[in-house]
Amino acid sequence: QKEVEQNSGPLSVPEGAIASLNCTYSDRGSQSFFWYRQYSGKSPELIMSIYSNGDKEDGRFTAQLNKASQYVSLLIRDSQPSDSATYLCAVISRQAGTALIFGKGTTLSVSS
Amino acid sequence: EAGVTQSPTHLIKTRGQQVTLRCSPISGHTSVYWYQQALGLGLQFLLWYDEGEERNRGNFPPRFSGRQFPNYSSELNVNALELEDSALYLCASSPDVASQYFGPGTRLLVL
Repeated sequence: QKEVEQNSGPLSVPEGAIASLNCTYSDRGSQSFFWYRQYSGKSPELIMSIYSNGDKEDGRFTAQLNKASQYVSLLIRDSQPSDSATYLCAVISRQAGTALIFGKGTTLSVSS
Repeated sequence: EAGVTQSPTHLIKTRGQQVTLRCSPISGHTSVYWYQQALGLGLQFLLWYDEGEERNRGNFPPRFSGRQFPNYSSELNVNALELEDSALYLCASSPDVASQYFGPGTRLLVL
């Protein structure tokens, strides 16, 4: 089983819709979870971090964490064409010290 | 505040050669991480340096090595380059054991 799994997509949503991105992880002891956005040809940009069960909101972004289900998600409200990118889920796993373990990413396409 | 910087931006090498990549962290960040993003493989952890010491390494052969200097900048060295080393090499810095901020990367092509 891969440590961090994401649906590769592409996920296509119309402008203004809610995009829902999902991620599961295998290490039950993981404590820190992150979402990065990566535009084609660019480096990953940190957009959200979450450490406790529940929801965390920042502008149009909401991260949701459920440690019992080993599941973390990212909701993007009012999606814009500029949100079109690959979204990477990353976890700090006890097994890897403080290094980030990344999923392979979900490609989001927002059409205008 | 200046972000993480990396040099060079692009590099072309031939198989068997050696390469050195450089990274300067965000001011005040003492931890530097190196990752490899190869096509189809996703981002994979290479090395972690903190306070001048190698703290952890990923599942890569010993020909991948590096160091961290007293000013917290870091180098990644790759010896005996192989074709599959072609990738984007990303450096990230962190002020703590959590959030990591990435530099623009060095794109290495091995021919």
